[in-house]
Amino acid sequence: NAGVTQTPKFQVLKTGQSMTLQCAQDMNHNSMYWYRQDPGMGLRLIYYSASEGTTDKGEVPNGYNVSRLNKREFSLRLESAAPSQTSVYFCASSGRTVHNEKLFFGSGTQLSVL
Amino acid sequence: AQTVTQSQPEMSVQEAETVTLSCTYDTSESNYYLFWYKQPPSRQMILVIRQEAYKQQNATENRFSVNFQKAAKSFSLKISDSQLGDTAMYFCAFMIGHDMRFGAGTRLTVKP
Repeated sequence: NAGVTQTPKFQVLKTGQSMTLQCAQDMNHNSMYWYRQDPGMGLRLIYYSASEGTTDKGEVPNGYNVSRLNKREFSLRLESAAPSQTSVYFCASSGRTVHNEKLFFGSGTQLSVL
Repeated sequence: AQTVTQSQPEMSVQEAETVTLSCTYDTSESNYYLFWYKQPPSRQMILVIRQEAYKQQNATENRFSVNFQKAAKSFSLKISDSQLGDTAMYFCAFMIGHDMRFGAGTRLTVKP
């Protein structure tokens, strides 16, 4: 049982380049999330998808887009990367749509934008 | 604004002793969940313990327990019989609907 799988684990981009972070879960969860973690700070919510076919902005959505491809997969896209987007990105999922009791996290993607 | 504050950036404890990590939060909601997550150097986020705000009884998971004071909006984590493997960053968080907010974390070092 893999849980939440993120790819890639590490990525270096140049300013202005684009890329997509991939996330998949095999727990049949309805809800999926993208967070970023910056040094000295906790995780901050970028976007979430409460259920297949829906997406909503979180606390820090600017500069990102997401796609809920199907129930398993939720991708995060940086259209034009900026140094301020250097961070560790975490994908997470949870099994309930209304009363979300806990999140299961992937192992993170370390992204550096030069 | 919904915020989480962890006032202890770093703490240390001797192996086998007890340590308490502090957390306060601010929300106008009455129904929410509270969590402590552990992040070891591997970077993996691991759920330590959770508490439903509507429950008065404090949650306990083996050596980990919480002191939940709803009126004071306080949610501290007590680790008993500390082990070297408890060395990690600890994040307090609360969740309302799909919105989970995290504190900045407390770096805990367990010394042999």
